[in-house]
Amino acid sequence: DAGITQSPRHKVTETGTPVTLRCHQTENHRYMYWYRQDPGHGLRLIHYSYGVKDTDKGEVSDGYSVSRSKTEDFLLTLESATSSQTSVYFCAISRGGTTDTQYFGPGTRLTVL
Amino acid sequence: GENVEQHPSTLSVQEGDSAVIKCTYSDSASNYFPWYKQELGKRPQLIIDIRSNVGEKKDQRIAVTLNKTAKHFSLHITETQPEDSAVYFCAASISRSQGNLIFGKGTKLSVKP
Repeated sequence: DAGITQSPRHKVTETGTPVTLRCHQTENHRYMYWYRQDPGHGLRLIHYSYGVKDTDKGEVSDGYSVSRSKTEDFLLTLESATSSQTSVYFCAISRGGTTDTQYFGPGTRLTVL
Repeated sequence: GENVEQHPSTLSVQEGDSAVIKCTYSDSASNYFPWYKQELGKRPQLIIDIRSNVGEKKDQRIAVTLNKTAKHFSLHITETQPEDSAVYFCAASISRSQGNLIFGKGTKLSVKP
């Protein structure tokens, strides 16, 4: 499955705590993306990266930050988790931009109590 | 920005019948249209994609058609099988936008044996 892993796969946390999700790839793809998936909303882009230290916001970026210090790792941080951030988070990678195939990671199920 | 509408939200067919899922997009500059299949608890996986310079593309029992004038594209699955049961997502992106692959909200396809 395109050499993408996510950690943790499941996490339960409390409102107000910081949370960091990790996406790791072994494909050396330039582009990496974070999506959230909620019932009735499909997949929505949170942030993406087009290179090391190059990131930009997606359509639902409020409350999230990202960092990419190495090609293979893309971190998503919730500085102070809220219940509305309970979701399934998917990382994706692509060789080119968004007109190139995106491959998804296995997902992280996050529950904020 | 781009908006993608997907219909129907649920679709039930008998094994062996055909299934059609339709999507419309708003930005005439969109030029890449992938379709993803997501089985329960799994990651989305690309099943077929089409670019704006092509009107139709086939891969065995799956085909996608694109009407740029009407700004809609459709997924056709023939001779459906129970293993085709899943949620299907369409998406659209614009080459000038590095990060924005906009997804429809999904269609849950059920194939009854």
